[in-house]
Amino acid sequence: EEQLLESGGGLVQPGRSLRLSCAASGFTFSTYAMTWVRQAPGKGLEWVSGISYSGDNRYYADSVKGRFTISRDNAKNTLYLQMNDLRAEDTALYYCAKDLRSFTLIGDVFDYWGQGTLVTVSS
Amino acid sequence: QSALTQPRSMSGSPGQSVTISCTGTSSDVGAYNYASWYQHHPGKAPKLVIYDVTKRPSGVPDRFSGSKSGNTASLTISGLQAEDEADYYCCSYATTSVLFGGGTKLIVL
Repeated sequence: EEQLLESGGGLVQPGRSLRLSCAASGFTFSTYAMTWVRQAPGKGLEWVSGISYSGDNRYYADSVKGRFTISRDNAKNTLYLQMNDLRAEDTALYYCAKDLRSFTLIGDVFDYWGQGTLVTVSS
Repeated sequence: QSALTQPRSMSGSPGQSVTISCTGTSSDVGAYNYASWYQHHPGKAPKLVIYDVTKRPSGVPDRFSGSKSGNTASLTISGLQAEDEADYYCCSYATTSVLFGGGTKLIVL
């Protein structure tokens, strides 16, 4: 059974950094594009960043471009999100999600999601 | 990268049908047959209910159906049931990004 388990969230001061991880199991991780989606308190879902199955192609929302970096380690079946220069508006529950289709460059259909890890940016 | 436009809330009685709209542009919803829909109950992970405009993942009841006309995708839920009460989000491929709608809160009266 496919499973995604996020970790690394917490309380952080504005301007500081945090790295999120997403451990995958139950599927061939290296053949699927992966994505980070967030939900701020009381708000809707927001696509944050996506990475191709190989890791060669990376995509970012304008709101995080230049501050966040997505990466993956296919040997460890793990997805990462390095978040720098955090702002109050980055406060959200961060989900990792698996693409439905294999061997895509950017995931756009998400068939499995983790339970999320909460990031709170506050002084 | 503007969010897709959905009604903030809709309601219906058990057994009725509701259709939730999702309006984008000719660069996203209108350009590709890649619109998808997610059901999200608070405290749980979002669940895929429709993808590629009209396709239903295995295990999703056929009460859920999708369509598209121009720049607007739609999700129709027929035979409403109490457990359908949730937030629904549309989503579209947009070449180098992915866009979500603002979400629609569906209330089953």
